[in-house]
Amino acid sequence: SQTIHQWPATLVQPVGSPLSLECTVEGTSNPNLYWYRQAAGRGLQLLFYSVGIGQISSEVPQNLSASRPQDRQFILSSKKLLLSDSGFYLCAWSVGQGSQPQHFGDGTRLSIL
Amino acid sequence: AQSVTQPDIHITVSEGASLELRCNYSYGATPYLFWYVQSPGQGLQLLLKYFSGDTLVQGIKGFEAEFKRSQSSFNLRKPSVHWSDAAEYFCAVGAQGGSYIPTFGRGTSLIVHP
Repeated sequence: SQTIHQWPATLVQPVGSPLSLECTVEGTSNPNLYWYRQAAGRGLQLLFYSVGIGQISSEVPQNLSASRPQDRQFILSSKKLLLSDSGFYLCAWSVGQGSQPQHFGDGTRLSIL
Repeated sequence: AQSVTQPDIHITVSEGASLELRCNYSYGATPYLFWYVQSPGQGLQLLLKYFSGDTLVQGIKGFEAEFKRSQSSFNLRKPSVHWSDAAEYFCAVGAQGGSYIPTFGRGTSLIVHP
């Protein structure tokens, strides 16, 4: 069966520090991969998605970036974190196009001090 | 462009009462529709999905949803709510027309009173 792993579960970082969040999927090939952010009490904001290795689409301009070095690995990064980067970050995967649902990881709670 | 509206930000029900969470969508053709649930501090879990066929779909945890094309709605229901159902619920329309991006509603927070 397919599984998705996200780590770390929680992270506290100072303003201006770098960031790296990792997401890996097991049990499926060539998944679509997504990074979302949830601010407190708000809905899902799509940050990046990828339909293949090295293919990254950005939905919102920001100081974050994403990379997909391997088929089932998706990394969210920043060179310098801002206070506004605080939130709950979710990785998700799907296969094919829109008829298939997304499957989410357990999320990373990021707090910027 | 497709859109999803969840009109209720919060819903409060008593344990054992019935539940209906509203979802309205905007899309020209027959949509792919989903309901997800998010417990505090966790990711989203798929409750049920509608692609075609029977307009009443059954999901996990005793939930069901009914697709009504004439009303552009896909409301989620449960006959008897349990305290463990307290969570955030998201309705979503699947990606269409070559897109890989689904559209999510803003979510409805369900509060269950004992």
